[in-house]
Amino acid sequence: QKEVEQNSGPLSVPEGAIASLNCTYSDRGSQSFFWYRQYSGKSPELIMFIYSNGDKEDGRFTAQLNKASQYVSLLIRDSQPSDSATYLCAVNRGSNYKLTFGKGTLLTVNP
Amino acid sequence: DTAVSQTPKYLVTQMGNDKSIKCEQNLGHDTMYWYKQDSKKFLKIMFSYNNKELIINETVPNRFSPKSPDKAHLNLHINSLELGDSAVYFCASSPGTSGQETQYFGPGTRLLVL
Repeated sequence: QKEVEQNSGPLSVPEGAIASLNCTYSDRGSQSFFWYRQYSGKSPELIMFIYSNGDKEDGRFTAQLNKASQYVSLLIRDSQPSDSATYLCAVNRGSNYKLTFGKGTLLTVNP
Repeated sequence: DTAVSQTPKYLVTQMGNDKSIKCEQNLGHDTMYWYKQDSKKFLKIMFSYNNKELIINETVPNRFSPKSPDKAHLNLHINSLELGDSAVYFCASSPGTSGQETQYFGPGTRLLVL
């Protein structure tokens, strides 16, 4: 079983819709969860992080964490063409500073 | 002001050569990392240093040797380059080692081995 799994996509949504990106992880000891966005040819940049079960909102982005189900998601409301990128889920065990990344989901927002 | 910088941006070289990639961060962070992103975009940690000391060493061929002269710099030397080494290499840094900190990535070095 892969440590961090994401649907590779592509996920295609129309402009203004909600994009839902999902990630599952295998290590129950994982404590910190990150979503990075990577535009083609660019480096990853942090969108959000979440440590506790539940929802965390930041502008148009909401991260959701369910540790019992070992599941973390990212919702993007009012999707814009500029949101088109690969979204990388990353997981950390807490005391271990190693981030384990999923393979990323390619999101395309169509105008 | 570039937070995490890498040189060179592009590197094209022949199999068997030795090459180095340099990384510098001006964020005052204590921890630096090297990641490899392959052609399928999978980003995988290679090494991590905290205050010049190696703290993570993943299963990487010993042709790869990191060096941290000070906590603001982390270089990567690669001996006897192979075709499979072609990838984008990202340097990153974070304030400490708690695991809850954001990692800031450099622009990447695109290595092509012919």
